[in-house]
Amino acid sequence: EDQVTQSPEALRLQEGESSSLNCSYTVSGLRGLFWYRQDPGKGPEFLFTLYSAGEEKEKERLKATLTKKESFLHITAPKPEDSATYLCAVVPRTGGGADGLTFGKGTHLIIQP
Amino acid sequence: DTAVSQTPKYLVTQMGNDKSIKCEQNLGHDTMYWYKQDSKKFLKIMFSYNNKELIINETVPNRFSPKSPDKAHLNLHINSLELGDSAVYFCASSQGTNQPQHFGDGTRLSIL
Repeated sequence: EDQVTQSPEALRLQEGESSSLNCSYTVSGLRGLFWYRQDPGKGPEFLFTLYSAGEEKEKERLKATLTKKESFLHITAPKPEDSATYLCAVVPRTGGGADGLTFGKGTHLIIQP
Repeated sequence: DTAVSQTPKYLVTQMGNDKSIKCEQNLGHDTMYWYKQDSKKFLKIMFSYNNKELIINETVPNRFSPKSPDKAHLNLHINSLELGDSAVYFCASSQGTNQPQHFGDGTRLSIL
């Protein structure tokens, strides 16, 4: 069964304190790994897609990396507005057609000023 | 302009009632989805529609029925609501398989 595990469940950082969030996955072939940000009362907001091991994507203070077993979301010098729940999701390799995302349970990140 | 919009935002109703949630996307995407987020904030796929054809049904009770009048709309109809149906329901859309999905802001369903 396809599985996505995120750690830690919650993380509290001081403003400017860099850290990384982990997403490990077990799927029958990976077609894509996605990172989303979710704010309270809102839907997930797309951040990055990674398709193959070794790939990296960057956006402002965020950088996502991918290996064959896991992905990391690195946050450099975070600000309070980076506080949110970060979700990792995968699309497993199947026989074709539309596929829903398999999500992890998320990391709740709090950046204290 | 809102890319994926859902109505209503909040829905409070009695057990046993029938209700519908509407979803519209203006992104020109050809695939739409419904997800359920439970009280522990875990998101799980319920359905997807590609060109008005149901592609996935993830063992969801048949009280739930998606209906797509056209490519830009995917509504969710729920019969005989139960207490366990209380959750936030999210609509999403994407352009083809394996492309980023864009989500609406959810419909919070509360069953009394």
